[in-house]
Amino acid sequence: NAGVMQNPRHLVRRRGQEARLRCSPMKGHSHVYWYRQLPEEGLKFMVYLQKENIIDESGMPKERFSAEFPKEGPSILRIQQVVRGDSAAYFCASSPAVAGSGNTIYFGEGSWLTVV
Amino acid sequence: RKEVEQDPGPFNVPEGATVAFNCTYSNSASQSFFWYRQDCRKEPKLLMSVYSSGNEDGRFTAQLNRASQYISLLIRDSKLSDSATYLCVSQNTDKLIFGTGTRLQVFP
Repeated sequence: NAGVMQNPRHLVRRRGQEARLRCSPMKGHSHVYWYRQLPEEGLKFMVYLQKENIIDESGMPKERFSAEFPKEGPSILRIQQVVRGDSAAYFCASSPAVAGSGNTIYFGEGSWLTVV
Repeated sequence: RKEVEQDPGPFNVPEGATVAFNCTYSNSASQSFFWYRQDCRKEPKLLMSVYSSGNEDGRFTAQLNRASQYISLLIRDSKLSDSATYLCVSQNTDKLIFGTGTRLQVFP
């Protein structure tokens, strides 16, 4: 399966710990998006990255959250000092070019974070 | 006000029924529109794009009305396998904006 790969699929963290979520885009895709879905809510845009660049982080919480997409390796969404409200499904998506310009965006299976 | 609004449902319909979902969007600058399907604890998957001229894919028909900023999805001859949450999505520059979804449950 050469789709968008996310790991871990499930992650449990205690309050105050750090969570790192990884995303490998589809082969040939250089655009990565992170979305968060809280229980019983819709997906909320967090951040859009290209290799080594953050293009749009307008949906990222101002504190504790960061994202990167290095030249080599997967994109990482990092949440420091997690709180219970961070419990959610985090979906990564990729596209070959900017989403919507005739390019379909493909989602990974998600990473479910539970903060206890 | 949410940028994309949908009736959360649930819509409970028998097999073979026709069901329609509606969605409104508030940003008149939105460029493209889509319907996604999401099964429980799964990722969203693109169902179809939505065009002003209307478009059909098998049992599914989608329609966009830019003047009233309204999007619809019609499902004919519902199958049990259509049970899922249907997400209305608008695209604005580089990001997709998702509605909270409408839940459909098709029963035998």
